[in-house]
Amino acid sequence: EIVMTQSPATLSVSPGERATLSCRASQSVSSNVAWYQQKLGQAPRLLIYGASSRATGIPARFSGSGSGTEFTLTISSLQSEDFAVYYCHQYNNWPPTSTFGQGTKVEIK
Amino acid sequence: QLQLQESGPGLVKPSETLSLTCSVSGASISSSTYFWGGIRQPPGKGPEWIGSIYYSGRAYYNPSLKSRVTVSVDTSKNQFSLNLSSVTAADTAVYYCARQTHDYGDPPAAFDIWGQGTMLTVSS
Repeated sequence: EIVMTQSPATLSVSPGERATLSCRASQSVSSNVAWYQQKLGQAPRLLIYGASSRATGIPARFSGSGSGTEFTLTISSLQSEDFAVYYCHQYNNWPPTSTFGQGTKVEIK
Repeated sequence: QLQLQESGPGLVKPSETLSLTCSVSGASISSSTYFWGGIRQPPGKGPEWIGSIYYSGRAYYNPSLKSRVTVSVDTSKNQFSLNLSSVTAADTAVYYCARQTHDYGDPPAAFDIWGQGTMLTVSS
């Protein structure tokens, strides 16, 4: 099973600052990585797919990068609505499997 | 606008079978460009993929749950279902239904639309 490890577990950031979240895969997953945002009591929302493509309606301040085993989600200038938990997700080619990271909580500093 | 709605019993006894139905509205489940998936999230933890199914009935499962999970699709009702047998307290979680993108020739990919989720508790 491919394990996705996210760091840090908690990130304290001031509004307007940049946030950088990391995700490492236990083996290469090419660019088959997505990122989601989850607020308390809500379902996850897709932000990024294919490691770097923004989903429909996602603001340009969210960007994704990486390939192979190292991936990054960057929020260029944090807005109040961005404080939430973020998960990475790999969807390996064969056999088709999906695993999620344990999450990074972005909190107000 | 596509919507997914989960329905389940809320409370299941240990050793019994948990059944979740996912109803799709606003689009056909028979689309060739999507899989349909089940994901669960225990309280305070990250999501865990359970399995995904295509409208043709082709399904893929989480290896750690494969012996206990069955996912089926009913195109006439525009819904799919997830059954998890021999449940224990460790199966207590919020269960989500989600649409999974799919390009021809490629495996299922990101989950782009999610239902609101339903809490399923295993307890006697």
